[in-house]
Amino acid sequence: DAKTTQPPSMDCAEGRAANLPCNHSTISGNEYVYWYRQIHSQGPQYIIHGLKNNETNEMASLIITEDRKSSTLILPHATLRDTAVYYCIVRVADTGRRALTFGSGTRLQVQP
Amino acid sequence: EAQVTQNPRYLITVTGKKLTVTCSQNMNHEYMSWYRQDPGLGLRQIYYSMNVEVTDKGDVPEGYKVSRKEKRNFPLILESPSPNQTSLYFCASSGGGLAGPSYEQYFGPGTRLTVT
Repeated sequence: DAKTTQPPSMDCAEGRAANLPCNHSTISGNEYVYWYRQIHSQGPQYIIHGLKNNETNEMASLIITEDRKSSTLILPHATLRDTAVYYCIVRVADTGRRALTFGSGTRLQVQP
Repeated sequence: EAQVTQNPRYLITVTGKKLTVTCSQNMNHEYMSWYRQDPGLGLRQIYYSMNVEVTDKGDVPEGYKVSRKEKRNFPLILESPSPNQTSLYFCASSGGGLAGPSYEQYFGPGTRLTVT
């Protein structure tokens, strides 16, 4: 799995967009970018994934640069409930063991 | 509502007393997995199961057993718990399977286990 680099922490005002960056300069052609989050001691929650194109779902948008060496997760209107640690993971979409390994992630604090 | 449930959510026990943590999913997922999460060590996979009666070791299987007799259930068994198994445990499930890749895993709420 490719190594990822994320800022350790970020703040965001409630109602504003939260933009969380992730660098993955060693990503391979068949590796996807996944985002998960974990609210304090709760089960991790899948957010979104992408390969090359930008993706959007009901939770967030994922912007991947053309060279695929970095990406940004966008929470369009952050709420206090979005305060969590956000993990960027780069790996193949496998049918086997599927073990998830989280790095240190970005701790997002949404301020009222 | 699609979900993964775990029971109990909190458990304090003593060394050597056998315990089972249950996990159930209602999404008809073939794949299920157990993780433990410890400060500074992150998430580590204990066991996983690709389907009924198919289980395999993850990264840290020592001291744990699992079974997969039904598709929806994947209990984690600690036959002789020790203090180093004090941890936060998560069960997860995922769709896809051998017919195709899976892109997301759904996690349970966690079980906080303390072994004294």
